[in-house]
Amino acid sequence: EDQVTQSPEALRLQEGESSSLNCSYTVSGLRGLFWYRQDPGKGPEFLFTLYSAGEEKEKERLKATLTKKESFLHITAPKPEDSATYLCAVQTQGGSEKLVFGKGTKLTVNP
Amino acid sequence: SAVISQKPSRDICQRGTSLTIQCQVDSQVTMMFWYRQQPGQSLTLIATANQGSEATYESGFVIDKFPISRPNLTFSTLTVSNMSPEDSSIYLCSVGPGHEQYFGPGTRLTVT
Repeated sequence: EDQVTQSPEALRLQEGESSSLNCSYTVSGLRGLFWYRQDPGKGPEFLFTLYSAGEEKEKERLKATLTKKESFLHITAPKPEDSATYLCAVQTQGGSEKLVFGKGTKLTVNP
Repeated sequence: SAVISQKPSRDICQRGTSLTIQCQVDSQVTMMFWYRQQPGQSLTLIATANQGSEATYESGFVIDKFPISRPNLTFSTLTVSNMSPEDSSIYLCSVGPGHEQYFGPGTRLTVT
């Protein structure tokens, strides 16, 4: 069974304090790994899709990396507006477009 | 990216009743997805809806409980039937393409 585990469940940072969120996965065959940001009361906002080990993608203060077993979302010099829940999801080979999600990491950045 | 709207944004319903949630997309899409987000749990796929064919349900979800319509390439509905408090959740629609899935704002359902 495909599984996605995110850690930590919650993370508090001071503004400017860089850190990383982890997403480990167990799948039969990875087609893509997705990162989303979700603000309270809103739907998930698409950030990145990674496809193969060694791939990296960046957007503003966020950088996502992928290995064969896990992905990291690095947050550099975060600001309070980066506070949100970050979701990781995998899409497996086999033709289905289905995404399997982790439970998310709730990030709080204090000013 | 697609712009997705959902109606209603939230509702409070009595047990035993049904609620139909609408999902409207600003462009034509082949595949639409319905997810459920329960408190403290992962987003879980309910079913995939393709225009012109029957929806495909995931394990643990059945058509009698969650009937879906997909009348055209920009619109879909999900009905939550014979509701119980366990159906209290956020319901989200999502659209492809597969390598970038975009989500609507969600419908927050409370069943009393």
